[in-house]
Amino acid sequence: SQKIEQNSEALNIQEGKTATLTCNYTNYSPAYLQWYRQDPGRGPVFLLLIRENEKEKRKERLKVTFDTTLKQSLFHITASQPADSATYLCAPGRGSYIPTFGRGTSLIVHP
Amino acid sequence: DADVTQTPRNRITKTGKRIMLECSQTKGHDRMYWYRQDPGLGLQLIYYSFDVKDINKGEISDGYSVSRQAQAKFSLSLESAIPNQTALYFCATSDSTSGSNTGELFFGEGSRLTVL
Repeated sequence: SQKIEQNSEALNIQEGKTATLTCNYTNYSPAYLQWYRQDPGRGPVFLLLIRENEKEKRKERLKVTFDTTLKQSLFHITASQPADSATYLCAPGRGSYIPTFGRGTSLIVHP
Repeated sequence: DADVTQTPRNRITKTGKRIMLECSQTKGHDRMYWYRQDPGLGLQLIYYSFDVKDINKGEISDGYSVSRQAQAKFSLSLESAIPNQTALYFCATSDSTSGSNTGELFFGEGSRLTVL
């Protein structure tokens, strides 16, 4: 069955540094991959989508890469701020846009 | 007001009781979803509906049922609640007709259910 892996341990970084989060998938060939942000007790909020024919997508301080050979997506936040502290979920999918969510990685940015 | 509204936000109930979680949206989206989230786990799809006449089971539909009363309303029922259904439940919507074609899901604020 398809499996989506995100680092279960929280990522702690200092303000101003670049945060890099990883999403790996197996037994799956997604046509796209979405990234969401989730704050404690809140619903996830969509950030970015990258398609299988795109290597990289940027939005403000966010950058996402998608390597279908490695079966991996990397999510980068440059010049990180304490307000970026949250859980980030990756959600690969194909077809009818019903993504399957990973468990998420908690990011903590220290001032 | 929130675009995707879930009620109740919190509910404590006992084993064997029937529970209904309601979701309404003002976004005009055609698609609606119910997800469940357990601590440390990802979002698991319970049911989804692509339009009023279309209901589909997700990966964990056992013990749950849904009703799409109108395009804007999608309710989730637990006919006989059990403790392992204690979780945070999210309703979400998406628009298959928009030109952006990102498949973006818009989530409600969640309904926290505790079954004793």
